[in-house]
Amino acid sequence: DGGITQSPKYLFRKEGQNVTLSCEQNLNHDAMYWYRQDPGQGLRLIYYSQIVNDFQKGDIAEGYSVSREKKESFPLTVTSAQKNPTAFYLCASSPVRGGWNTEAFFGQGTRLTVV
Amino acid sequence: AQRVTQPEKLLSVFKGAPVELKCNYSYSGSPELFWYVQYSRQRLQLLLRHISRESIKGFTADLNKGETSFHLKKPFAQEEDSAMYYCALGHNTGKLIFGQGTTLQVKP
Repeated sequence: DGGITQSPKYLFRKEGQNVTLSCEQNLNHDAMYWYRQDPGQGLRLIYYSQIVNDFQKGDIAEGYSVSREKKESFPLTVTSAQKNPTAFYLCASSPVRGGWNTEAFFGQGTRLTVV
Repeated sequence: AQRVTQPEKLLSVFKGAPVELKCNYSYSGSPELFWYVQYSRQRLQLLLRHISRESIKGFTADLNKGETSFHLKKPFAQEEDSAMYYCALGHNTGKLIFGQGTTLQVKP
C-alpha cells in the first residue's frame, strides 16, 4: 500500500522533553516537508528536504531539528527549546522535476500535546 | 520574502451560488501556484496547479501576475464543496509554502 505514513497519531510529552515524530514514504519522492498546523494560521513550514543528507530551514525552524539519512524517512524532533510545541504536525512528500516540486502528498498528521 | 495570503477565514454561500476564494502572493521570481483542499476527516490533497490550466470539480484558477493573485472560482457551488481550501506557492528551491486557509461552507 503506497503512501506517506506518520506515526504516532497522538503523542503526549512532558514539558522539557524532546520527542521525535516519524514520517515515512514509499512513493520514491525526492522532496519531503514538515508543517505545523495551528487554527487560524494555516500550514507553516518547519523544514524541508530536496535530497538525501540535505535539508533547509523553513519559516519556523527554531526549536525543531530533522535528519534525512534515507530517501524514505524524514523524522522531526521537537526539542525542549520549542516554546509552544502543542500543535498538529503534517508531513508531506513530493516528486521533483527540473528542480520544481509538483504535487505534494500528505500524511494523516500527528497531534502533539505537551502536558 | 515569499508569502501567501488568504484574506478570508470563512466563506459561506448557498448551493448554486458562485464562489471565489481569494489568494494573493508575494514572490520576486516565477512562482508555481497550487490550490489544495481538505475535506472533513480526509488528508490534504491537491485540487489544481496553475501550470496545468485544468478545471477540477468545476473549479478554475487563473494566475494574474500583475495583481499577484491566484483566486479559485466555481460558478455554481455544491454542498460537497464544503471544505478547507489552501493556496500554496512553490519555487525551484523546493520550498513550498501555504496560506492561512479558507473554510468554504456551502449551505443547502
